[in-house]
Amino acid sequence: DAGVIQSPRHEVTEMGQEVTLRCKPISGHDYLFWYRQTMMRGLELLIYFNNNVPIDDSGMPEDRFSAKMPNASFSTLKIQPSEPRDSAVYFCASSLGRGTDTQYFGPGTRLTVL
Amino acid sequence: DQQVKQNSPSLSVQEGRISILNCDYTNSMFDYFLWYKKYPAEGPTFLISISSIKDKNEDGRFTVFLNKSAKHLSLHIVPSQPGDSAVYFCAASEWYGGSQGNLIFGKGTKLSVKP
Repeated sequence: DAGVIQSPRHEVTEMGQEVTLRCKPISGHDYLFWYRQTMMRGLELLIYFNNNVPIDDSGMPEDRFSAKMPNASFSTLKIQPSEPRDSAVYFCASSLGRGTDTQYFGPGTRLTVL
Repeated sequence: DQQVKQNSPSLSVQEGRISILNCDYTNSMFDYFLWYKKYPAEGPTFLISISSIKDKNEDGRFTVFLNKSAKHLSLHIVPSQPGDSAVYFCAASEWYGGSQGNLIFGKGTKLSVKP
């Protein structure tokens, strides 16, 4: 039974380039979350979707960040243009429901922007 | 301004002894609390949770204690094992608008259990 799948696992890019992170949630889960982990801010929610619809994007830091979920089995987080301060580990998580339902995290994408 | 604080970035414990990880929160409206465990190069995994109507929840070697008046929760691991070495995240959420809100995470505490 596959968990949440993220790709790539590591991404190194140069400042100004476009970066696309990908996520495949657990089948049947209606909620998908994108988190970012940094030393300074810890683990913070960027955006979450319910049934492919973005519900709360208040955590998205800037207009350079965008997220889509074209279908129930795929989501992307795009940064354009990327900056060195975007360097972090980005996690995708999914859950059956909201609230007290357990969120299952993917292994994360470690992004380094030079 | 962090609503969930884990003031100890790291903790080292001898195998077989008790590990106590602490978490403080500032939002009195939080009513659901969780601990997640994270190994290197993996995503966080759910460990244990507690609702604000309880003050203790136990699952095997893991027990979470909640002190609402002090806005403090702790995770006890007894006995500690080398495999428990990981980063532990505390998280909290509040009920509002008819649903449970987003999880707010602390920065994590790195636990090292030495053989």
